Amino acid sequence: DAGVIQSPRHEVTEMGQEVTLRCKPISGHNSLFWYRQTMMRGLELLIYFNNNVPIDDSGMPEDRFSAKMPNASFSTLKIQPSEPRDSAVYFCASSPLAAGSTDTQYFGPGTRLTVL
Amino acid sequence: AQSVAQPEDQVNVAEGNPLTVKCTYSVSGNPYLFWYVQYPNRGLQFLLKYITGDNLVKGSYGFEAEFNKSQTSFHLKKPSALVSDSALYFCAVRVTYSGAGSYQLTFGKGTKLSVIP
Repeated sequence: DAGVIQSPRHEVTEMGQEVTLRCKPISGHNSLFWYRQTMMRGLELLIYFNNNVPIDDSGMPEDRFSAKMPNASFSTLKIQPSEPRDSAVYFCASSPLAAGSTDTQYFGPGTRLTVL
Repeated sequence: AQSVAQPEDQVNVAEGNPLTVKCTYSVSGNPYLFWYVQYPNRGLQFLLKYITGDNLVKGSYGFEAEFNKSQTSFHLKKPSALVSDSALYFCAVRVTYSGAGSYQLTFGKGTKLSVIP
């Protein structure tokens, strides 16, 4: 398996622009997580999905952030409009969710976002 | 609310010496505990986990962790450090509860391990 796939790996944009980050989870995994990592705040959970349904989006910082999972093999995280303080590395992770599963999460390589 | 604390931002150890990266947790139930490692410009990689049973858990790359319920700790250890072990290490906790189909992990802030040749 190719693991969790994220694109793009790097994104540089200007303030006010829309940014879309993409994630393909590991095939067969039922749960998908979006995280943000910064030096100041460490690793923060933004939102997670279970069977394509958003379960907890309390970590989404503002209405400028939105996430979708239209099917089991694809998710997007959108920032509109972007601001310099959104600069961070964004990780996607997926996990199998089966009875008795211990729910290890598998992380993608991340998208490094820079907002100028 | 569940939380984890990694009291050391950085740990330095000489190559060949034993290493310990500390983690304490706070949960209102039985914890599932995890250690992840992050190498530069990479995503987090799973190292090991404690669910139940033996308090000493063995994981990838020769790492092990000891669960101590009375001290609410889950310290990561390795008998002999390698330069290639230099990375950022994260402890995480998940609360177990019945009947739910969803959950989340709470991560510590991470500890940077530097192994000096």
